[in-house]
Amino acid sequence: SQQGEEDPQALSIQEGENATMNCSYKTSINNLQWYRQNSGRGLVHLILIRSNEREKHSGRLRVTLDTSKKSSSLLITASRAADTASYFCATDATAAGNKLTFGGGTRVLVKP
Amino acid sequence: SQTIHQWPATLVQPVGSPLSLECTVEGTSNPNLYWYRQAAGRGLQLLFYSVGIGQISSEVPQNLSASRPQDRQFILSSKKLLLSDSGFYLCAWSPGSPSTDTQYFGPGTRLTVL
Repeated sequence: SQQGEEDPQALSIQEGENATMNCSYKTSINNLQWYRQNSGRGLVHLILIRSNEREKHSGRLRVTLDTSKKSSSLLITASRAADTASYFCATDATAAGNKLTFGGGTRVLVKP
Repeated sequence: SQTIHQWPATLVQPVGSPLSLECTVEGTSNPNLYWYRQAAGRGLQLLFYSVGIGQISSEVPQNLSASRPQDRQFILSSKKLLLSDSGFYLCAWSPGSPSTDTQYFGPGTRLTVL
């Protein structure tokens, strides 16, 4: 079973709007990572947040982590058409043998 | 800088034929290496990972095998492909422990088994 589950599965927004997607997981984690995948391409690492961190920023990206709720959110501010992609969370959990477990992803469409 | 290569980019193979996908990493030594499979519109399933030459860990029972004949070379193989082996295969590497470091992905190989 998947450790991380993204919500929503798909998201359609206008350019300039913010996009928020969530990731829930089941077991305690060491860190959580977000990746982006353009259609038919490999994944690109966006940001890593450790279990003792609550929020991290990288450019227009903001990631939060709530270990009490076992959830994380990725916010993309002022979205651009180039942000159109699938976004995946991946968790590193000791219970999973210290391997990354990827969720099913959120497909984001940013309309110009 | 480090780069990761995968080939071929696309492959169409008949059921029962053999498979060999290759992944190589440049610009780093002793990387951790991973093979993932991604079904259409889905997340990634870890198939194999390797922390060193000849050291392969298999994550799920399947029709596939992996080998690491050289430090920066990771090969995914099958003796006889099944229809269910179709998918997008991604190779990745990381410089540290199997999970706590960022993973860097190759461009992927799209395999269609007919």
